[in-house]
Amino acid sequence: NAGVTQTPKFQVLKTGQSMTLQCAQDMNHNSMYWYRQDPGMGLRLIYYSASEGTTDKGEVPNGYNVSRLNKREFSLRLESAAPSQTSVYFCASSEAGADTQYFGPGTRLTVL
Amino acid sequence: QKEVEQNSGPLSVPEGAIASLNCTYSDRGSQSFFWYRQYSGKSPELIMFIYSNGDKEDGRFTAQLNKASQYVSLLIRDSQPSDSATYLCAVNSGYSTLTFGKGTMLLVS
Repeated sequence: NAGVTQTPKFQVLKTGQSMTLQCAQDMNHNSMYWYRQDPGMGLRLIYYSASEGTTDKGEVPNGYNVSRLNKREFSLRLESAAPSQTSVYFCASSEAGADTQYFGPGTRLTVL
Repeated sequence: QKEVEQNSGPLSVPEGAIASLNCTYSDRGSQSFFWYRQYSGKSPELIMFIYSNGDKEDGRFTAQLNKASQYVSLLIRDSQPSDSATYLCAVNSGYSTLTFGKGTMLLVS
């Protein structure tokens, strides 16, 4: 089992460009999450999907959109990237809401 | 706003000593508590979880929970240089989500 996978691992964008971060899990988990991690700020929840077909905003949703494509895949889209979105993005999944979350390897995004 | 507080550190301990990492949380209704370890440049990985008051031991790690004081701790016995990392405390903040502390950096030398 690969667990949680994320693509790409690294990305550099120019201000105003768009991109989609991909996440997939092979653990048959119901819930999936997108976090960003910035120095001194810890992990902050962007969006989550408690189950297939549902998505909800987290602590810092502005500037992002998500799609729960199916039970395995949860994507994060930046429509018009800004330098403030430079961060490390982690996807995570869990069997149910407040259970143990398992993290992907992360995507390092730089917006110039 | 539900909060999870941790001392940012660094906490420096000599090799072989006990490292004690602490976490307080604001939501009295929280039921699930987790400790993650994160090496520099890597993703968080689960070390332990605890649901009930008291101690839970797993190898060199012991998690302690005191719901009355809203306090969770992680003890690492016989600390090794490989334990040097940032330790994240996480608390359930509703049915579907966890709230993470900012982490404590541990240095073992």
